[in-house]
Amino acid sequence: DAKTTQPNSMESNEEEPVHLPCNHSTISGTDYIHWYRQLPSQGPEYVIHGLTSNVNNRMASLAIAEDRKSSTLILHRATLRDAAVYYCILRDLTQGGSEKLVFGKGTKLTVNP
Amino acid sequence: DVKVTQSSRYLVKRTGEKVFLECVQDMDHENMFWYRQDPGLGLRLIYFSYDVKMKEKGDIPEGYSVSREKKERFSLILESASTNQTSMYLCASSLAAARSSYEQYFGPGTRLTVT
Repeated sequence: DAKTTQPNSMESNEEEPVHLPCNHSTISGTDYIHWYRQLPSQGPEYVIHGLTSNVNNRMASLAIAEDRKSSTLILHRATLRDAAVYYCILRDLTQGGSEKLVFGKGTKLTVNP
Repeated sequence: DVKVTQSSRYLVKRTGEKVFLECVQDMDHENMFWYRQDPGLGLRLIYFSYDVKMKEKGDIPEGYSVSREKKERFSLILESASTNQTSMYLCASSLAAARSSYEQYFGPGTRLTVT
């Protein structure tokens, strides 16, 4: 599996945008970029995914670099409820066993009031 | 909403006991997974199942077995619990890849302590 690199931790202030980076320099052409987050004392939850184009949903936006070697998860207005560990994961859905998620260490986001 | 439930939030067992962790999902998902999560090691896949009675080993299957007799239920079994199996156990489910399995849905977790 191609690897991802994320900062261990980031801080943000409430109501401000947050940009969470992820590097994946060995990404292959068929790897999708997925983001999950894990709130304290809960299981992980899906946030967003994309392949080449930027994506938006009700939770966040995903900006993917043109060469796909990096991506950024954008929370447009951070709230205290967004404090969590955010995981960037690559998945090749064309490969057998692609249903598996390989979690790295993620980025722990702290949101200050 | 997809719901994945786990039989217990907290469990305390003694070394050598046989332990069953149960997971049920209500969305007719083909795939089910068991992970464990430990500080500094993140989430690691123990076993997964892509159909009833089908199972595949994940990254750390030693000391564990699984059972999937019905589509909605996936059990993790610790045949003889040991202290190094003290951990948070997370169950997840997803649609099969052919049905666009972009999301895995996780349960709330079971914190198992083996004394």
